[in-house]
Amino acid sequence: GENVEQHPSTLSVQEGDSAVIKCTYSDSASNYFPWYKQELGKGPQLIIDIRSNVGEKKDQRIAVTLNKTAKHFSLHITETQPEDSAVYFCAASDMGSQGNLIFGKGTKLSVKP
Amino acid sequence: GAGVSQSPRYKVAKRGQDVALRCDPISGHVSLFWYQQALGQGPEFLTYFQNEAQLDKSGLPSDRFFAERPEGSVSTLKIQRTQQEDSAVYLCASSAAGTGVSDTQYFGPGTRLTVL
Repeated sequence: GENVEQHPSTLSVQEGDSAVIKCTYSDSASNYFPWYKQELGKGPQLIIDIRSNVGEKKDQRIAVTLNKTAKHFSLHITETQPEDSAVYFCAASDMGSQGNLIFGKGTKLSVKP
Repeated sequence: GAGVSQSPRYKVAKRGQDVALRCDPISGHVSLFWYQQALGQGPEFLTYFQNEAQLDKSGLPSDRFFAERPEGSVSTLKIQRTQQEDSAVYLCASSAAGTGVSDTQYFGPGTRLTVL
């Protein structure tokens, strides 16, 4: 089955700097890669997703890139703000299932004012 | 409209008690997923429903875990004879599409279960 590795586990940046989180996956058949932001005491909230027919997707300060050959995808946050502080999870679709997601272990992002 | 809601938000159970966790998906969503999230970890899949049919329960950790969605809307996750290792946040997610389509999953706030 699918396996997703995520790093770093913690990331601290200064307000205004960029943050990059990287994930690798094992199943070359996976075709859907969402990123979720989870704040303390809340459920995961989708912030951006990408499908395997696209190499890059951008939404304001957030962008995701996908390298199918290398089987890795990355989240880029530019001009970070204190409210970006949260735990971020990458995920990949489990193609052997009914559509459930396999998640990475998460990255705790801290943005210092 | 409203997002996915779950109740209760917090549940404390004594070891050996039975618990029931409720999920109200987004209205009209065909697919419903349950995930378990241990402290400091990513969510892990438990079970999947398409309408009222439970098509995948491969992630349920033991036969003490049971889920249902009798009318294809609200779902209940039941854990019998709770054990300390069941302590976790239980997340429900729904998506508009049915099986075979990788569709956006919208998560509820979760139920934090603590077993003493």
